[in-house]
Amino acid sequence: ELKVEQNPLFLSMQEGKNYTIYCNYSTTSDRLYWYRQDPGKSLESLFVLLSNGAVKQEGRLMASLDTKARLSTLHITAAVHDLSATYFCAVDTNFGNEKLTFGTGTRLTIIP
Amino acid sequence: NAGVTQTPKFQVLKTGQSMTLQCAQDMNHEYMSWYRQDPGMGLRLIHYSVGAGITDQGEVPNGYNVSRSTTEDFPLRLLSAAPSQTSVYFCASSYSFGKPYEQYFGPGTRLTVT
Repeated sequence: ELKVEQNPLFLSMQEGKNYTIYCNYSTTSDRLYWYRQDPGKSLESLFVLLSNGAVKQEGRLMASLDTKARLSTLHITAAVHDLSATYFCAVDTNFGNEKLTFGTGTRLTIIP
Repeated sequence: NAGVTQTPKFQVLKTGQSMTLQCAQDMNHEYMSWYRQDPGMGLRLIHYSVGAGITDQGEVPNGYNVSRSTTEDFPLRLLSAAPSQTSVYFCASSYSFGKPYEQYFGPGTRLTVT
């Protein structure tokens, strides 16, 4: 059974600081996804990582994937308040993106 | 494109009642899925479909039925609602192969069973 673990579960950080969210998964997988969710809203796709060593960046967020370590990271650079949200990683279970296994999420709060 | 739409947005049911959560997409996606989101547990897959006429169970299928008679629609039926089914339900869709790979999520249905 595929398990996806995120840490930390809660993260409170000051504006301007850097931090990293970690996503570990238990079995071989084809793709890894990062989503953002604002309170009471749906999920917004941030990144899709397709291969070992993949790195993608959008603004202050950068995601990377190490398939050998079964680890993905989401790095936040010089955090701003607008990045406050819950971040989820998710992994394919069947080499098809109709079945995703999600981590429990990291609730990120940026303090001015 | 409206993307993925879900109705209703909110619903309150009494234990034992049945209802159908509607999901539709206008992107001609082959894949569609239903997830539930509970506090502290992330999203869990209920049922999914890889095309019209084809459905399969996910991680937490008990108490739910689905059908896929058209590419566009993927309704989720609660047969006899229970308080444990209080949750936020998300429908998602995606292409079966090729870019873009990500699933597109609907706005969600917040269900309370009393």
